[in-house]
Amino acid sequence: AQSVTQLGSHVSVSEGALVLLRCNYSSSVPPYLFWYVQYPNQGLQLLLKYTTGATLVKGINGFEAEFKKSETSFHLTKPSAHMSDAAEYFCAVSTTDKLIFGTGTRLQVFP
Amino acid sequence: AAGVIQSPRHLIKEKRETATLKCYPIPRHDTVYWYQQGPGQDPQFLISFYEKMQSDKGSIPDRFSAQQFSDYHSELNMSSLELGDSALYFCASSGTAQRDTQYFGPGTRLTVL
Repeated sequence: AQSVTQLGSHVSVSEGALVLLRCNYSSSVPPYLFWYVQYPNQGLQLLLKYTTGATLVKGINGFEAEFKKSETSFHLTKPSAHMSDAAEYFCAVSTTDKLIFGTGTRLQVFP
Repeated sequence: AAGVIQSPRHLIKEKRETATLKCYPIPRHDTVYWYQQGPGQDPQFLISFYEKMQSDKGSIPDRFSAQQFSDYHSELNMSSLELGDSALYFCASSGTAQRDTQYFGPGTRLTVL
């Protein structure tokens, strides 16, 4: 069975500060991993994904994530937070036919 | 680029009524997925279709049914609605070019009174 754990349901940072959202996964097979962002009252937008190959993955809006097999982690980072980054972020692992989501992390950005 | 279209965007129903949600996938996408997101919850997989056949089933109540049509659009039918069915319902689609990636629609917000 596959699962995802997101550490920290709420993260607050100042504008310009580093953003770090944590995600650990459990999978019996090589996982496909994703980060989605959800703005208030909107759908889920794909930020980035890891399937195979390079373990450092770059996504949209300046976000990136690194797949670390030894740590079973796929943490999301952004060097400098912007007010527009405030949203809910979901880490997800894929099986053959469905996404299994973590419980989400709400990112707040203060001026 | 064309995205996943869902209709209606908002729906208000009474208990025990029925509801039909529609999903139009990205052109040339042959797989459709349905997810339910309760208030403050993460999205939960309900059901998926590939080439008009059900491909996987999750925590979908027996009161719900779904199908995919020849033009690849999908409908989620919900009967005997309960208060607990109030949620955001997402449809996602994927295609042969990027089978591993699901693209989500804006969702249908269902409120059951």
